[in-house]
Amino acid sequence: QVQLQESGPGLVKPSGTLSLTCAVSGVSISSPNWWTWVRQSPGKGLEWVGEIYHGGTTYYNPSLESRITISVDKSKNQFSLNLSSVTAADSAVYYCARQFHGFHSWGQGTLVTVSS
Amino acid sequence: EIVMTQSPATLSVSLGESATLSCRASQSVGNNLAWYQQKPGHAPRLLVYGASSRATGIPARFSGSGSGSEFILTISSLQSEDFGIYYCQHYNHWRKTFGPGTKVDIK
Repeated sequence: QVQLQESGPGLVKPSGTLSLTCAVSGVSISSPNWWTWVRQSPGKGLEWVGEIYHGGTTYYNPSLESRITISVDKSKNQFSLNLSSVTAADSAVYYCARQFHGFHSWGQGTLVTVSS
Repeated sequence: EIVMTQSPATLSVSLGESATLSCRASQSVGNNLAWYQQKPGHAPRLLVYGASSRATGIPARFSGSGSGSEFILTISSLQSEDFGIYYCQHYNHWRKTFGPGTKVDIK
């Protein structure tokens, strides 16, 4: 059974960097899937943040492209999100997901609040 | 950017009745369309991918149809556990986008 688990600080200061990790179990991160981050601001809809293939190819939401990096750590079977220069608008529940013709597996989500 | 729209915004349905949810893409996405159900405090759950293929473990009362830019999710014989928000999402392009959602509540 594929499982994903997000981890990282729940509170980030404005202008700081949001860093999250998604631990993957039940499947190799080198399998033919895209590893994706999706976020959801409180009371709002879902926003695709970006994704990475195990070979390192990445795609980012153009609205975040100047601030975002997604990377894979094959040795730990996990992938990570870094979002710099955060503002209150980046406060959201961040989900990691496994994508292969749709997002088939999701983490439980982690709430990140940007506040001083 | 492909813009996804959904209608209606809210749907109230009696138990045992069917519900029809619509999703439209601003340009053709072929059959690269997925549907998700989300309940408060939970991650979305994949219901349908490829416009009409049910995901693993999804009951047969959920069915998807359509192609190109017009899609339908039908929930036949609505059960109490089917309340929630339903999102469509395309994956026809590297930039994936979600619709704004349809809230289904029990009448």
